[in-house]
Amino acid sequence: QKEVEQNSGPLSVPEGAIASLNCTYSDRGSQSFFWYRQYSGKSPELIMSIYSNGDKEDGRFTAQLNKASQYVSLLIRDSQPSDSATYLCAVHGSSNTGKLIFGQGTTLQVKP
Amino acid sequence: EAGVAQSPRYKIIEKRQSVAFWCNPISGHATLYWYQQILGQGPKLLIQFQNNGVVDDSQLPKDRFSAERLKGVDSTLKIQPAKLEDSAVYLCASSSYSGQQVSGNTIYFGEGSWLTVV
Repeated sequence: QKEVEQNSGPLSVPEGAIASLNCTYSDRGSQSFFWYRQYSGKSPELIMSIYSNGDKEDGRFTAQLNKASQYVSLLIRDSQPSDSATYLCAVHGSSNTGKLIFGQGTTLQVKP
Repeated sequence: EAGVAQSPRYKIIEKRQSVAFWCNPISGHATLYWYQQILGQGPKLLIQFQNNGVVDDSQLPKDRFSAERLKGVDSTLKIQPAKLEDSAVYLCASSSYSGQQVSGNTIYFGEGSWLTVV
């Protein structure tokens, strides 16, 4: 079992729709969760972090965390073609070493 | 505030040759990471330093890869000899994490060093 799992996609949504990206993790003691966006040929950039169960909203982005189910999701409302990228889920493990483990990423395509 | 600096940006070498990548983290960041990202995959942690000590190098192929962080600032990642499967982007990242609570530990990436082994 991979430590952080994502569906590689591609996930295709029409412009203006809600894109839903999902991630599961294996370490039940994980404390911190991150979503990074990576455009083709570029390095990952942080778009959301979440530490507590529930929802966290930032503009068009909402991160959702359910520690009991070991599940993290990212919702992108009013998707734009500029949102087309690979979205990486990353998790800090329970070892408290600062080690950040990434999933394989989900490719999102927003079609005009 | 300057970001994470990496060089060179691009490198093409023949198999069995050697290559070295350099990274300068964000000023004041105690923790430095080297990740390997193969096309179509997520970043894989190769080595993590806290100041100039190694925190995790469990996935570093030590027969060919080496890394150092002298004086707890800059770092160099070396590959010798290179194999075809080493073709990837090598991402350096840093954070202010210093051994305390992990929450709030944001990791910032450099632009990456693209390696092609032919």
